[in-house]
Amino acid sequence: NAGVTQTPKFQVLKTGQSMTLQCAQDMNHNSMYWYRQDPGMGLRLIYYSASEGTTDKGEVPNGYNVSRLNKREFSLRLESAAPSQTSVYFCASNLGLGSIGETQYFGPGTRLLVL
Amino acid sequence: QKEVEQDPGPLSVPEGAIVSLNCTYSNSAFQYFMWYRQYSRKGPELLMYTYSSGNKEDGRFTAQVDKSSKYISLFIRDSQPSDSATYLCAMSGNAGNMLTFGGGTRLMVKP
Repeated sequence: NAGVTQTPKFQVLKTGQSMTLQCAQDMNHNSMYWYRQDPGMGLRLIYYSASEGTTDKGEVPNGYNVSRLNKREFSLRLESAAPSQTSVYFCASNLGLGSIGETQYFGPGTRLLVL
Repeated sequence: QKEVEQDPGPLSVPEGAIVSLNCTYSNSAFQYFMWYRQYSRKGPELLMYTYSSGNKEDGRFTAQVDKSSKYISLFIRDSQPSDSATYLCAMSGNAGNMLTFGGGTRLMVKP
């Protein structure tokens, strides 16, 4: 049981290049999330998918797109990377049923550097 | 102004000390309050979870929520070097789904 996995672990891009960050969970969770973490800013929600087939914008969606490929996988795409997108990206998931005591489970993160 | 404020630290304490970590928030709709621990170069992991006001204890950790003051705290008793990490508070108006995070406090416990 791997939990939430993310690939790649680290990536360097040049301005204008594109890339896709991959996320998969094996906990049969309904909801999945993409966050970015910058120093002193905490975690900010980029996009989320409440259930398979749905996606919604979070706090900072500009410059990103997402795809909920199936129940397990949720990818984040940068179409034209900018230096402002240098960050650590975390994927998370949870049951999404609104039950008390529920939490989000996080992956190990992808460190992205845009030059 | 951010919805959730947290002193970034770093907070440095000797082993065995009692640690107090705090967050303030502005959104009165928040009902669910969480503390996540994040080790360097790792993803956050849930440490404590409380609903509404009151205290919750789990081993050396106590989470406290004061909704009237919009203030939450995490206390760590008998702190250990292994507690050295960044502690993030998070809160939600509904159970677990949309979380708003504080910026995190970096804690260092010296042997």
